[in-house]
Amino acid sequence: GAGVSQSPSNKVTEKGKDVELRCDPISGHTALYWYRQSLGQGLEFLIYFQGNSAPDKSGLPSDRFSAERTGGSVSTLTIQRTQQEDSAVYLCASSLSRVAGGYGYTFGSGTRLTVV
Amino acid sequence: GEDVEQSLFLSVREGDSSVINCTYTDSSSTYLYWYKQEPGAGLQLLTYIFSNMDMKQDQRLTVLLNKKDKHLSLRIADTQTGDSAIYFCAERLEDSGGYQKVTFGTGTKLQVIP
Repeated sequence: GAGVSQSPSNKVTEKGKDVELRCDPISGHTALYWYRQSLGQGLEFLIYFQGNSAPDKSGLPSDRFSAERTGGSVSTLTIQRTQQEDSAVYLCASSLSRVAGGYGYTFGSGTRLTVV
Repeated sequence: GEDVEQSLFLSVREGDSSVINCTYTDSSSTYLYWYKQEPGAGLQLLTYIFSNMDMKQDQRLTVLLNKKDKHLSLRIADTQTGDSAIYFCAERLEDSGGYQKVTFGTGTKLQVIP
């Protein structure tokens, strides 16, 4: 697609429920990244995909968080048994993986998750 | 190690210049970026500088890099109300697999007073 698309844009869920957040990267971008942005905080790195594999999962905060990517395209971030501290904006970005020049990431608009 | 730091807040009057500062710790970074995040939106790449450059100018934006001190700044000339946003500094590194990885700062919220 023309840009990075994330859905839903907003999600309100009850504590203890599972949620799935979706990211559709730019066509041809092999690298995909998930970040979390909490109120007043910077961007917290969660996980990075190169194709369908995840070389770096170091940022996932607990085993309640998991992510997958299929077909080298769409990625899903799943949070199980949500807690109130999971409330944040979840941002997805994609990029060409090996590049020269100043090419950075292209970000989606994010999913605002509120756990009540 | 990777650590990018910024002050959290800056307030300027419309028409003045804004200077947003950033420090980073990894001297092996190849590119340094400034991203802009408007309310309710994702981050948008504003400008970047290659690590062997000292300065880059792009219309109202001037990026200064002091590699010795690991200090990056973004100057916005003639700041407008539309410049109100959060500005993120970021550094690009290559991981052990040769893939790029970008680490972001905490972001500086710029408030422009009319």
